[in-house]
Amino acid sequence: QKEVEQNSGPLSVPEGAIASLNCTYSDRVSQSFFWYRQYSGKSPELIMSIYSNGDKEDGRFTAQLNKASQYVSLLIRDSQPSDSATYLCAVNMRAGSGGSNYKLTFGKGTLLTVNP
Amino acid sequence: SAVISQKPSRDICQRGTSLTIQCQVDSQVTMMFWYRQQPGQSLTLIATANQGSEATYESGFVIDKFPISRPNLTFSTLTVSNMSPEDSSIYLCSVGRGQGYEKLFFGSGTQLSVL
Repeated sequence: QKEVEQNSGPLSVPEGAIASLNCTYSDRVSQSFFWYRQYSGKSPELIMSIYSNGDKEDGRFTAQLNKASQYVSLLIRDSQPSDSATYLCAVNMRAGSGGSNYKLTFGKGTLLTVNP
Repeated sequence: SAVISQKPSRDICQRGTSLTIQCQVDSQVTMMFWYRQQPGQSLTLIATANQGSEATYESGFVIDKFPISRPNLTFSTLTVSNMSPEDSSIYLCSVGRGQGYEKLFFGSGTQLSVL
């Protein structure tokens, strides 16, 4: 069973702090990793993608990938109340055992609350 | 990205009835996907819909229960048939972009409640 695991939270941080969201995945050969933001009552929105080990920065967001540890994280610097949402980690994983078909698998998400 | 219009946005249905959800995209797309999101659960892929071919269903989902149409490159429908309360969920259509169509962009979703 291919899995993506996230701490469900809630993760509560004060405004201006760094929020750190973590995700682990089970398929060692996964190559593509994504972070989605989902506001309450809204659909998920793609905010970051990462494919190589290391860091990828986009504004206040930094995605970090460590394939050896099967770990991907999202850092949000200078957190704002508007960042309060559920953050979904998604990994493109092999569908079934072996084979070449891949499927995007989502974690359950981490609820982030940024307190003013 | 793409502008994806989904309707209805919400509905309350009686057990045993069927509901068809429509998804309209503002540009031609090859891959469209239908997801379900149950409370406290992750997004679960129901099926992949390619224009001109039969939809491909994931384990646990069957065509008789969730028939899908994909008549052209900008439109798709998902029908939830013979509904039961267990079908109460948010249903999302999405389009894939980029290499392997792995970057997903979602419609606004349909909140379905079955009584």
